[in-house]
Amino acid sequence: DTEVTQTPKHLVMGMTNKKSLKCEQHMGHRAMYWYKQKAKKPPELMFVYSYEKLSINESVPSRFSPECPNSSLLNLHLHALQPEDSALYLCASSQDRVRARTGELFFGEGSRLTVL
Amino acid sequence: AQKITQTQPGMFVQEKEAVTLDCTYDTSDPSYGLFWYKQPSSGEMIFLIYQGSYDQQNATEGRYSLNFQKARKSANLVISASQLGDSAMYFCAMREVMEYGNKLVFGAGTILRVKS
Repeated sequence: DTEVTQTPKHLVMGMTNKKSLKCEQHMGHRAMYWYKQKAKKPPELMFVYSYEKLSINESVPSRFSPECPNSSLLNLHLHALQPEDSALYLCASSQDRVRARTGELFFGEGSRLTVL
Repeated sequence: AQKITQTQPGMFVQEKEAVTLDCTYDTSDPSYGLFWYKQPSSGEMIFLIYQGSYDQQNATEGRYSLNFQKARKSANLVISASQLGDSAMYFCAMREVMEYGNKLVFGAGTILRVKS
């Protein structure tokens, strides 16, 4: 079982809807990530939070709005999305680079989003 | 900028045989980390194995081993005694160490199909 939990697993929304994706980890990791993955493509980094502060924003459109309420939770708020935003959204976490020799990312199972 | 190349879009292997998935990389950093992840159809990214640039020996984890050839900038994954459950997408990735967190840059991936 993955130690990074994402909800919902599947989401269908219209272009005018507002919805949120949620991610939770209890491994004490202080870095959390959102990746977007289109079918048969590699994941692409969207955002990185470190110690609850946004440290990387990979020029993601403002219709995607991340939030990190505390060290265990990461949300992705969705508003006015386009059909091309349909994808698998993966959340991940990792130890900070000082403590982690390898620094591997632990991924959740993803939230599969369809925008109609 | 770091770059990961996986030249095999798809591979077939007979059950119980070994298979090698290719990965080459390019970086100007003397210190780097290389990862392999498995992604089944369920979507979760599963960490398999890690190789650090200063590691003296090739990494091994159970049936997975990494054939690390630093001078050739290659980090091929070897799966021994293939099982039907090994059928999945496999991604090679390189860690870009940021001030906070770790950014993974992924290759295009290789789809592996194990035949019975």
